[in-house]
Amino acid sequence: ETGVTQTPRHLVMGMTNKKSLKCEQHLGHNAMYWYKQSAKKPLELMFVYNFKEQTENNSVPSRFSPECPNSSHLFLHLHTLQPEDSALYLCASSQVPEGLAAFNEQFFGPGTRLTVL
Amino acid sequence: QKEVEQNSGPLSVPEGAIASLNCTYSDRGSQSFFWYRQYSGKSPELIMSIYSNGDKEDGRFTAQLNKASQYVSLLIRDSQPSDSATYLCAVKIETGFQKLVFGTGTRLLVSP
Repeated sequence: ETGVTQTPRHLVMGMTNKKSLKCEQHLGHNAMYWYKQSAKKPLELMFVYNFKEQTENNSVPSRFSPECPNSSHLFLHLHTLQPEDSALYLCASSQVPEGLAAFNEQFFGPGTRLTVL
Repeated sequence: QKEVEQNSGPLSVPEGAIASLNCTYSDRGSQSFFWYRQYSGKSPELIMSIYSNGDKEDGRFTAQLNKASQYVSLLIRDSQPSDSATYLCAVKIETGFQKLVFGTGTRLLVSP
């Protein structure tokens, strides 16, 4: 079991619902990430937080809204999603040396399997 | 051209054999490379990282990097049925928008 937890593990929502995904890392890391994994597609980076600051937004639609209140917690707020947003959403964390950019060795949580009806 | 390319497989090897997984990448400036293992229905798990040309060994796993050829590989010696999984290659793209790009993964099947 990794030191990164995610809740809920499964979520079914309608297109008009608002829901949030939660991620917590217990590794003392300073960078956190959201990824999307769809069937037959590679993992896609969505957001990066380095030292609580959002450093990257990989052209993600505004219906996905991240929040990082501290270096241990990361949220992904969802609203008015589309059926094509159904996927496995993975949170990851890493320890980035000071002065360096993120994207070093990352540790993933178990993911939230999202289904949008 | 895809940023990170892997053969989707499946790659089938008998138990005890060496499994060789390959990955090519397009960004010549990339310096950081990672191999992740993902069991069906589970999240990716970091196996190896490699930053310098040559080989890096960790137990039954050896990562090989050739930056001139833009090629990184993972060798699994004495393959076990428990090694059956999808292996993801990840490359840190340094040119322009920095990001970690994953390949689609190679599915490995180790038969008893």
